[in-house]
Amino acid sequence: DTAVSQTPKYLVTQMGNDKSIKCEQNLGHDTMYWYKQDSKKFLKIMFSYNNKELIINETVPNRFSPKSPDKAHLNLHINSLELGDSAVYFCASSPKGTASGNTIYFGEGSWLTVV
Amino acid sequence: AQSVAQPEDQVNVAEGNPLTVKCTYSVSGNPYLFWYVQYPNRGLQFLLKYITGDNLVKGSYGFEAEFNKSQTSFHLKKPSALVSDSALYFCAVRDVGDYKLSFGAGTTVTVRA
Repeated sequence: DTAVSQTPKYLVTQMGNDKSIKCEQNLGHDTMYWYKQDSKKFLKIMFSYNNKELIINETVPNRFSPKSPDKAHLNLHINSLELGDSAVYFCASSPKGTASGNTIYFGEGSWLTVV
Repeated sequence: AQSVAQPEDQVNVAEGNPLTVKCTYSVSGNPYLFWYVQYPNRGLQFLLKYITGDNLVKGSYGFEAEFNKSQTSFHLKKPSALVSDSALYFCAVRDVGDYKLSFGAGTTVTVRA
């Protein structure tokens, strides 16, 4: 049983296109995240939702828009894709986020390549 | 502000030898510290964490880590490394009351047979 699943795993698309990455968790967690891993493997948080409420919104271009229809889902929509958006995007979740010792569990990643 | 430093980009050890991956942190309050491992083309897998209590934390796959408050360190250790431990290791920190988990730059571990 996959705990945090995201689709698609691989995505190749042209500059200027709009694409979405979907994420679902079946762990019953309240908090979900999107992290970006760049070509140097550096991980940076982009967004976090707690019970469908946006709680973290890092300095990310407004072409990136997260949407959480319910607490088990957090999707990432990207408009007008640019070459620099090529990266691996990880979805993650954790139990009620106010307890800072809670473990964050990651999905397998979505490899986005913009050509 | 919270941050993590992993001073070594790469660690190379022979199979059967001890493995240590270094991590130092900076937080304004008490830290919550984590180690994750990433295998090629895979997601991050949780290894262990320190919240409070015993400074020596035991985790998955025979790994352990020692929290040292005076040195602000949380080094990952394994007494006897396996070739299958070859992967990218991330240290991460979260400050008290913060949702955000901040990661170090990662250390690539290569265990040679």
